[in-house]
Amino acid sequence: AQKVTQAQTEISVVEKEDVTLDCVYETRDTTYYLFWYKQPPSGELVFLIRRNSFDEQNEISGRYSWNFQKSTSSFNFTITASQVVDSAVYFCALSEALFYFGSGTKLNVKP
Amino acid sequence: SQTIHQWPATLVQPVGSPLSLECTVEGTSNPNLYWYRQAAGRGLQLLFYSVGIGQISSEVPQNLSASRPQDRQFILSSKKLLLSDSGFYLCAWSVTGSYNEQFFGPGTRLTVL
Repeated sequence: AQKVTQAQTEISVVEKEDVTLDCVYETRDTTYYLFWYKQPPSGELVFLIRRNSFDEQNEISGRYSWNFQKSTSSFNFTITASQVVDSAVYFCALSEALFYFGSGTKLNVKP
Repeated sequence: SQTIHQWPATLVQPVGSPLSLECTVEGTSNPNLYWYRQAAGRGLQLLFYSVGIGQISSEVPQNLSASRPQDRQFILSSKKLLLSDSGFYLCAWSVTGSYNEQFFGPGTRLTVL
């Protein structure tokens, strides 16, 4: 069974729209960490955020925000006022010691 | 600051040929090291990880192998490449211990013909 599910394979938005990327995870551990990575067309994965299982506070960093809800096992990522440079594949990941990556969501932001 | 290097950046190899991809990390000691493969349009598959020199754990049985001859060097090898080995190979490192974020190298794009 998939430990991390990113149901949205591809999303297309127009610049300045807000967009939310969904991530649902599965674990029986009480201690775990969740991550988001960005993979631009160049290919290198860029670390965006780490969140531990004991901290459900939402986090905002500029136009990026993350909503962690243990009750629904979700760790969603919202980009506000999207820009063309946000176009990339975004991966959600779960760490129970080893990493488990989701299959990624490709975001296309059109001008 | 820490940096991670991978080479070559791209590689085209015939079926049955050997493979050696190298990854080195600078600016840190005793990192955990990882090799991932990403098939076109797909997610990341963990191939190997290492928590120390000479210590290799394999996650997926296949015709690939990994070695860690030095603390900050991680090598991915194959004696005979298959068509299915084509993909984007990413090396990553993390601080020793569990749950830490991984930092990725620029990747090697391998095409087996």
